[in-house]
Amino acid sequence: DIQMTQSPSSLSASVGDRVTITCRASQSISSYLNWYQQKPGKAPKLLIYAASSLQSGVPSRFSGSGSGTDFTLTISSLQPEDFATYYCQQTYSALSFGPGTKVDIK
Amino acid sequence: QVQLQESGPGLVKPSETLSLTCTVSGGSISSYYWSWIRQPAGKGLEWIGRIYTSGRSNYNPSLKSRVTMSVDTSKNQFSLKLSSVTAADTAVYYCARDVGYGSGTYDYWGQGTLVTVSS
Repeated sequence: DIQMTQSPSSLSASVGDRVTITCRASQSISSYLNWYQQKPGKAPKLLIYAASSLQSGVPSRFSGSGSGTDFTLTISSLQPEDFATYYCQQTYSALSFGPGTKVDIK
Repeated sequence: QVQLQESGPGLVKPSETLSLTCTVSGGSISSYYWSWIRQPAGKGLEWIGRIYTSGRSNYNPSLKSRVTMSVDTSKNQFSLKLSSVTAADTAVYYCARDVGYGSGTYDYWGQGTLVTVSS
């Protein structure tokens, strides 16, 4: 099984900050990596697919990069609606999600 | 706009079978993969499995022995059965649509339904 880890597990940031979240796979997954945003009581929302492709309707302040085992989600200028938990997901083999990174207000 | 809605009992007794249905509206269920994903309170997401409209399915190896999925294209619905449940199966259960070709990327999700396993 492919194990996914995320760092940090949580972070505090202010509106306007640049935020970076890292996701690491236990083996190479090429670019089979998605990012989702989840707010309390809501279903996850697809932000980035195939490591770096922006889902339709998602603001351009979100970006993704990486391949192989190391991936990054970047929010270029944090907005109030971005406070949420972010999950990476590998789709290379037997789908699995990372443990999540909670972004809250500093 | 595609919408998904989970339905089923919110309380299931230990050792019994959890049964949920997802109804798809605003689009056809045909020619897509459909999945179930769950999330225990305060924890992360766990993929349960997926089914194609032909009936072909794939399950999470850790749950495979207890999971059955089915699809009813005439009703635009697909279903999940999870047998021999324990308290560890208590979670919010989501149904979701794969963007295509069984990619495992989910663009539409239901709102989720809480299932509690308790006597």
